[in-house]
Amino acid sequence: QQQVKQSPQSLIVQKGGISIINCAYENTAFDYFPWYQQFPGKGPALLIAIRPDVSEKKEGRFTISFNKSAKQFSLHIMDSQPGDSATYFCAAADGGSTLGRLYFGRGTQLTVWP
Amino acid sequence: GAGVSQSPRYKVTKRGQDVALRCDPISGHVSLYWYRQALGQGPEFLTYFNYEAQQDKSGLPNDRFSAERPEGSISTLTIQRTEQRDSAMYRCASSLIGGLNTEAFFGQGTRLTVV
Repeated sequence: QQQVKQSPQSLIVQKGGISIINCAYENTAFDYFPWYQQFPGKGPALLIAIRPDVSEKKEGRFTISFNKSAKQFSLHIMDSQPGDSATYFCAAADGGSTLGRLYFGRGTQLTVWP
Repeated sequence: GAGVSQSPRYKVTKRGQDVALRCDPISGHVSLYWYRQALGQGPEFLTYFNYEAQQDKSGLPNDRFSAERPEGSISTLTIQRTEQRDSAMYRCASSLIGGLNTEAFFGQGTRLTVV
């Protein structure tokens, strides 16, 4: 049973466009929602994370939008660049103040065409 | 070292053999995690430690899988009597304990192939 559902599975965006990846969860105990970026041959690396006490968090071109009532969160990549081409994973955890087990989505393979 | 180090990077083993995968976390990181990642999938939790104590092993698929971290630093994931379905990328991660923005840093993984 997938605890975190991610869509789309793949995404193709033109350079300069907006990439949007969506995730949904059921467990209301989740209180930490990170996004990981993974390049081929590398391990996942934390991109940006949000806690449910805020509805949006922005870091540079990357924004997480969080809808607690709908139990959904999304990653927006503004002005997408070819260097953003990677696999993106959303995740969730219920560790409280300490990070415990992360539940990952299945990933979205993003391709940004120049 | 600068990051999470895993060895070996690649392991090919015959069905029925035991394998041991090693993880050296970032110095000073208290928490250590093991995940398994199938091709085209997200990482799937196996187990994690705080210091030398195994906090959660609910993700270990069966009793052929075990992990230890005897001195609270390096960890070993052992798979006994390997089966072809065990073939996957095994990833280790580590993090500082506590804090609202704790980040888990992942290693490059060990690609296990059981033939």
